Amino acid sequence: GAVVSQHPSRVICKSGTSVKIECRSLDFQATTMFWYRQFPKQSLMLMATSNEGSKATYEQGVEKDKFLINHASLTLSTLTVTSAHPEDSSFYICSARDFTQETQYFGPGTRLLVL
Amino acid sequence: KNEVEQSPQNLTAQEGEFITINCSYSVGISALHWLQQHPGGGIVSLFMLSSGKKKHGRLIATINIQEKHSSLHITASHPRDSAVYICAVSFGNEKLTFGTGTRLTIIP
Repeated sequence: GAVVSQHPSRVICKSGTSVKIECRSLDFQATTMFWYRQFPKQSLMLMATSNEGSKATYEQGVEKDKFLINHASLTLSTLTVTSAHPEDSSFYICSARDFTQETQYFGPGTRLLVL
Repeated sequence: KNEVEQSPQNLTAQEGEFITINCSYSVGISALHWLQQHPGGGIVSLFMLSSGKKKHGRLIATINIQEKHSSLHITASHPRDSAVYICAVSFGNEKLTFGTGTRLTIIP
């Protein structure tokens, strides 16, 4: 079946640094990808919708200048957490929409820990 | 605003038991998803359905559009089925609204 990969799977960084997370659809083209954040014991929360070749659409309360999204190709979207702080520590998950099958496939997630 | 409620929040059962997890939502939707999240965090999409019933192996998902309710059933449950099961609904714009999940533990 379709596979979505994320890299890295786990990252620890110092406060103030920037972290880039990649989301790739491996065997299908995804014009739309979604970025989610999940805090411990909580549900996934949509952060933004990433559209290939255009600007991302951010959910209310998500700072677009802090969470930079680039969807430069039909198989790759990146999320950059700029000037990360400990409160940004979370589990970040992407999903990619496969229009040929009208379903979403989820990546394995990236666990970010900001010290 | 659509709300998605799941029940039960936690479920512990013996291996072999028939499992049912319920999901209710408050407004009309275009599709409902059942997802499985393992302890490591990775999410697997189990089903996407907009009407009727779907079956995959030991898993069965049903949806009743009029009652705004869906159920996920697991037959002959196994310890490897232990995970968090998440119900999510989408509208025409594909954005998902998630339930809080049901933590299932199957005891050998």
